Amino acid sequence: EDQVTQSPEALRLQEGESSSLNCSYTVSGLRGLFWYRQDPGKGPEFLFTLYSAGEEKEKERLKATLTKKESFLHITAPKPEDSATYLCAVLGDYKLSFGAGTTVTVRA
Amino acid sequence: EAGVAQSPRYKIIEKRQSVAFWCNPISGHATLYWYQQILGQGPKLLIQFQNNGVVDDSQLPKDRFSAERLKGVDSTLKIQPAKLEDSAVYLCASSLEYQGLNEQFFGPGTRLTVL
Repeated sequence: EDQVTQSPEALRLQEGESSSLNCSYTVSGLRGLFWYRQDPGKGPEFLFTLYSAGEEKEKERLKATLTKKESFLHITAPKPEDSATYLCAVLGDYKLSFGAGTTVTVRA
Repeated sequence: EAGVAQSPRYKIIEKRQSVAFWCNPISGHATLYWYQQILGQGPKLLIQFQNNGVVDDSQLPKDRFSAERLKGVDSTLKIQPAKLEDSAVYLCASSLEYQGLNEQFFGPGTRLTVL
């Protein structure tokens, strides 16, 4: 069974203080790794898909990277509006298996 | 473009009662998913439809949960009878194809509280 572990569970940052979130996974035949953002009371919102080790993608202050065993989501100079829970999910056969998420709080 | 619609947004019931949730996916999306998200956890897939056929329902507790997608568009998820441990947010999502490579678009969810 596919497994996804995210760390830390929670992260409190000062505005402008860069940091990284970790997603380690075990999957038989990775077809894709997804990052989603979830705001309180809302459904997850798609951020990135990574398909192979070494791949990187960026969007505003977020950058996702992928190795054979883990993925990182780097937040550079975060702003309060980046506060959310960030979910990582792996695609094995055809279904997504999600991690529990990292809740990021950015203080002004 | 309209997003995934779900209703109701909130529901409170007593254990052993029945409840139903409704989902309308994005127009043109052939694949529809129902997820259960318990507080503090990531979403867990309950059932996946491709048009009106079931692709995967391996994690659906079939003794109490049922789902259908008539005419390959709207879908309903039913719980009968509900248990305390069913308290969760039920998320509906849709995507263009069933193999998972396309992003999934999620609705706002239905928060179910079972007392």
